[in-house]
Amino acid sequence: GAGVSQTPSNKVTEKGKYVELRCDPISGHTALYWYRQSLGQGPEFLIYFQGTGAADDSGLPNDRFFAVRPEGSVSTLKIQRTERGDSAVYLCASSLGGREADTQYFGPGTRLTVL
Amino acid sequence: QKEVEQDPGPLSVPEGAIVSLNCTYSNSAFQYFMWYRQYSRKGPELLMYTYSSGNKEDGRFTAQVDKSSKYISLFIRDSQPSDSATYLCAMSAMLTGGGNKLTFGTGTQLKVEL
Repeated sequence: GAGVSQTPSNKVTEKGKYVELRCDPISGHTALYWYRQSLGQGPEFLIYFQGTGAADDSGLPNDRFFAVRPEGSVSTLKIQRTERGDSAVYLCASSLGGREADTQYFGPGTRLTVL
Repeated sequence: QKEVEQDPGPLSVPEGAIVSLNCTYSNSAFQYFMWYRQYSRKGPELLMYTYSSGNKEDGRFTAQVDKSSKYISLFIRDSQPSDSATYLCAMSAMLTGGGNKLTFGTGTQLKVEL
């Protein structure tokens, strides 16, 4: 079956611009996560959705970052006034949700470069 | 100090060697322990998932957890060139809103040479 998909695969933007990154989770998965992976580092948690609501956004670095999941499926991560330090791979993961032991399946990521 | 420490390598071994990868952690709230494999420009792929202290085997892979020492390991037997990738340890803790937050190590880059 189809895995987690993310678009675009690559995004190059200029400092100060606004970007949107999209995630399509595995069908039927109610839990969705965003992580950010900087070069040479492991992924770092950003935000968690259960259904349509952001249940935990404690990993968002500042208020320039925002994410939505209006219909409980596709999610969009939005970054305003991008900075060079935002350059990283943004990974999305989904899981069945509702269980203590829950496997997260990752997408291929969107590589964001801020010039 | 990071919650999860992992030697970034790189680690280079000959084909057929046994590979040992390790992580240490400091947060006692971690309940589940995972190893992910990540090929270049791809997303992490789950290899092993363990909960309790002890060993878990799956084919050529063995995951070991020692909660008393806060130490986890992944062993790869009969390593193959196709095992060349970055191996990430990850640990799970419950979020206040439900769900599981994964905290990753930096990843160890492994190269298996012919």
